Amino acid sequence: NAGVTQTPKFRVLKTGQSMTLLCAQDMNHEYMYWYRQDPGMGLRLIHYSVGEGTTAKGEVPDGYNVSRLKKQNFLLGLESAAPSQTSVYFCASSYGTGVYGYTFGSGTRLTVV
Amino acid sequence: DAKTTQPTSMDCAEGRAANLPCNHSTISGNEYVYWYRQIHSQGPQYIIHGLKNNETNEMASLIITEDRKSSTLILPHATLRDTAVYYCIVRAPPDSNYQLIWGAGTKLIIKP
Repeated sequence: NAGVTQTPKFRVLKTGQSMTLLCAQDMNHEYMYWYRQDPGMGLRLIHYSVGEGTTAKGEVPDGYNVSRLKKQNFLLGLESAAPSQTSVYFCASSYGTGVYGYTFGSGTRLTVV
Repeated sequence: DAKTTQPTSMDCAEGRAANLPCNHSTISGNEYVYWYRQIHSQGPQYIIHGLKNNETNEMASLIITEDRKSSTLILPHATLRDTAVYYCIVRAPPDSNYQLIWGAGTKLIIKP
């Protein structure tokens, strides 16, 4: 049982380039989330989804877009990467909100130069 | 969601119990206390959560004070693999807010 899988694990982008981060979960979870974590800080929510075909903005959504076309996949897109988007990105999923624990992926380390 | 206050770092000897405190003095009656940990840049790992009563699972115990303004996560027999950053989070139950508000956590170092 893989849990939450993120691809790629590492990426270096030039300013202005675009890319898509893929998150896949095999636990049949309804809810999925994208977080970013900057050095020495906690996680900040970028976007989240409460089910297939739905997305919503989190705390820091600017510069990112997301899509949830299939229940098991949640994609995070950067249309025009900026150095401020250098961070570690974590995807998570949960059976429900609140009382249910979140399962996290192992992260994608993105550097924008 | 209520904010939490945790010590920046703590040490604990291997084999001893590690007690990690968390203050959440503004917690509301329907807010749960969650604990996660993050081992060296890996994705955070859920540990335990509770509302009022003390909770125990295979990883840890959670002690919540009667007034619910603070809690303690207890790792009963700490090992070197428990070295990690531990996050205490409080949030309301489903349908009120989808966000977990993460602070900087407590860096726990287990020493041989």
